[in-house]
Amino acid sequence: TQLLEQSPQFLSIQEGENLTVYCNSSSVFSSLQWYRQEPGEGPVLLVTVVTGGEVKKLKRLTFQFGDARKDSSLHITAAQPGDTGLYLCAGHSSYKLIFGSGTRLLVRP
Amino acid sequence: EAQVTQNPRYLITVTGKKLTVTCSQNMNHEYMSWYRQDPGLGLRQIYYSMNVEVTDKGDVPEGYKVSRKEKRNFPLILESPSPNQTSLYFCASSLALVDREQFFGPGTRLTVL
Repeated sequence: TQLLEQSPQFLSIQEGENLTVYCNSSSVFSSLQWYRQEPGEGPVLLVTVVTGGEVKKLKRLTFQFGDARKDSSLHITAAQPGDTGLYLCAGHSSYKLIFGSGTRLLVRP
Repeated sequence: EAQVTQNPRYLITVTGKKLTVTCSQNMNHEYMSWYRQDPGLGLRQIYYSMNVEVTDKGDVPEGYKVSRKEKRNFPLILESPSPNQTSLYFCASSLALVDREQFFGPGTRLTVL
């Protein structure tokens, strides 16, 4: 069974701080996605990374796909209260999408 | 507006009473799937469909049925719900199986007493 482990599970930080969320697996994925979910809503795609070593930036968010395509990280610079939410990584493999258990982020004003 | 809709949004029922959660998408997507979300377990796939009349089991299919008679609709059926099926359910659709964005519905919170 393919698994994606996310860490940390919970993160509470002050506005302006930086943070990194990790998504790790022993399996190789053809691509990896990061979603953000807010209470009462479904997840919404932030980014898809496809190539090993790929780095994508979305404003203050930086996403990296590991060289071996088994892991990924999400780095947020100068976090803001609007970044609060549940962050989910998801890996594509063999026509399936495997989700990590999520990182719940709280950014305090 | 491109969207995935689910109904109902909230449902409280009793053990054994058959129920259906509807899902509809207006983006002409071929691929649709159902997930359940439980605390600490993330999203787990229940069933998916690659096109009309083509469905397959995901990771947690026990106790669920689906059908795909039309491209836009993908209902989730619980023939005899049990308390361990209390969960938050999401329907999703996408253009293709692999490497494409999943568009999620707003979720259905189901409680089985």
